Amino acid sequence: QKEVEQNSGPLSVPEGAIASLNCTYSDRGSQSFFWYRQYSGKSPELIMFIYSNGDKEDGRFTAQLNKASQYVSLLIRDSQPSDSATYLCAVNIQNTDKLIFGTGTRLQVFP
Amino acid sequence: NAGVTQTPKFRILKIGQSMTLQCTQDMNHNYMYWYRQDPGMGLKLIYYSVGAGITDKGEVPNGYNVSRSTTEDFPLRLELAAPSQTSVYFCATQRGGGVYEQYFGPGTRLTVT
Repeated sequence: QKEVEQNSGPLSVPEGAIASLNCTYSDRGSQSFFWYRQYSGKSPELIMFIYSNGDKEDGRFTAQLNKASQYVSLLIRDSQPSDSATYLCAVNIQNTDKLIFGTGTRLQVFP
Repeated sequence: NAGVTQTPKFRILKIGQSMTLQCTQDMNHNYMYWYRQDPGMGLKLIYYSVGAGITDKGEVPNGYNVSRSTTEDFPLRLELAAPSQTSVYFCATQRGGGVYEQYFGPGTRLTVT
C-alpha cells in the first residue's frame, strides 16, 4: 500500500516567519512531487512541483526533495495570514498515471 | 477559458436515489480524475480516464460508475446513494501521463440522508 504521510497540524507561525511543512512517502520509484494549497471549502491549487533532488525556489516558496530519505518539504518564507490553509503533498505512483495525496497539514499564520 | 467546471455545486440525496456529477474541461487534457475528500482526510481516487473511451478504477470505486465519450466530459454516476457517499467530490485534469500536475474543479458537496 503506497502512502504519503504528513503531520496534520495545525502548524502555527507568526507573520513574517518561515513555515516548514514536511511529507514522507513510501514508493521509492516515485518521480514527481507536488504541493497543493487548499483553502477551507475550496479546491486544491498547485503551489509547487519538484522532480529532482535538491531545492526549487519560486517566490516565497521553496520545495526540497531528498529521494534517498523519501522526504519532500515546503518552506514558506515571510509567511502571511493569507497563507493560512491546508497544504497537501502529492506523489506520483511509479509506473502509473495516478497521484497519491497526503491528508494535509493545516497552517495558521497569526498577525 | 473556464478550465474545469463541475455541476452541481451542492446536492442533497435521499438514501437509494441516483445522480450524476458532471465534469467538463476546456483545457484539451487527455487525463481526467474523480476524487472524493472526506472531512480532515486527503483525496481518494475513485476513477480515472486517460482518454475518450478508456476508464479505470482507483482506490475507492465501489458504488460509482463513469464513462468518457468525449475528451471534454467525464461524468460520475452514483447508483443507490448511501450515507457513506456523503463527501466533497473533485474532478481533476492532467495534460498527460506520469509527471504532469493536476488541475482541479471547484467541487461538488454531496450529502446523502
